[in-house]
Amino acid sequence: DTAVSQTPKYLVTQMGNDKSIKCEQNLGHDTMYWYKQDSKKFLKIMFSYNNKELIINETVPNRFSPKSPDKAHLNLHINSLELGDSAVYFCASSQDRRGVMDEQYFGPGTRLTVT
Amino acid sequence: AQKITQTQPGMFVQEKEAVTLDCTYDTSDPSYGLFWYKQPSSGEMIFLIYQGSYDQQNATEGRYSLNFQKARKSANLVISASQLGDSAMYFCAMREGWDNNNDMRFGAGTRLTVKP
Repeated sequence: DTAVSQTPKYLVTQMGNDKSIKCEQNLGHDTMYWYKQDSKKFLKIMFSYNNKELIINETVPNRFSPKSPDKAHLNLHINSLELGDSAVYFCASSQDRRGVMDEQYFGPGTRLTVT
Repeated sequence: AQKITQTQPGMFVQEKEAVTLDCTYDTSDPSYGLFWYKQPSSGEMIFLIYQGSYDQQNATEGRYSLNFQKARKSANLVISASQLGDSAMYFCAMREGWDNNNDMRFGAGTRLTVKP
């Protein structure tokens, strides 16, 4: 059983298009995240979200927007794609236990290529 | 400011030997957690081990152990009896405070190659 799943695994699209990446977790976790991994393998948080609060990294362009239809899903919408958006995008989730530092479980990643 | 530093871009180890991957961190928060993740060439991120700032003992998980030196702000990962399947990128990460909405900051990673 896949704990955190993402679709699609690969996404090739042209500049200016709008695209979405879907993420689902079946772990019953309260918090979900989106990360971007650039070509140098550097991982950076984009968003964290639970049913109470969305926290946006201030460096993320507003062309990126997370949408959560329910606790198990956090989709990433990207408008007006740019060449610099090419990267691997990871979804992750963690429990939100008070007073506990929970590890995050990652999805398999979505490799986005903008041409 | 860079909070997590991994100074070894690449490391080589002979199969069956032990290897230490370095990680230093910077924080003024007394409550923090340190995590290590493995990313094989297939791309997924695999959680390996966790060390809390208040933990008295070094964390261990199978062949993985964490050499936690709080005063030096270092949390090195030790892999014993290396296997070919250990070849991967390894990331050290830290989260400050107890709020799971706090950012998990990652280091730049170390690429480990296990030689037969």
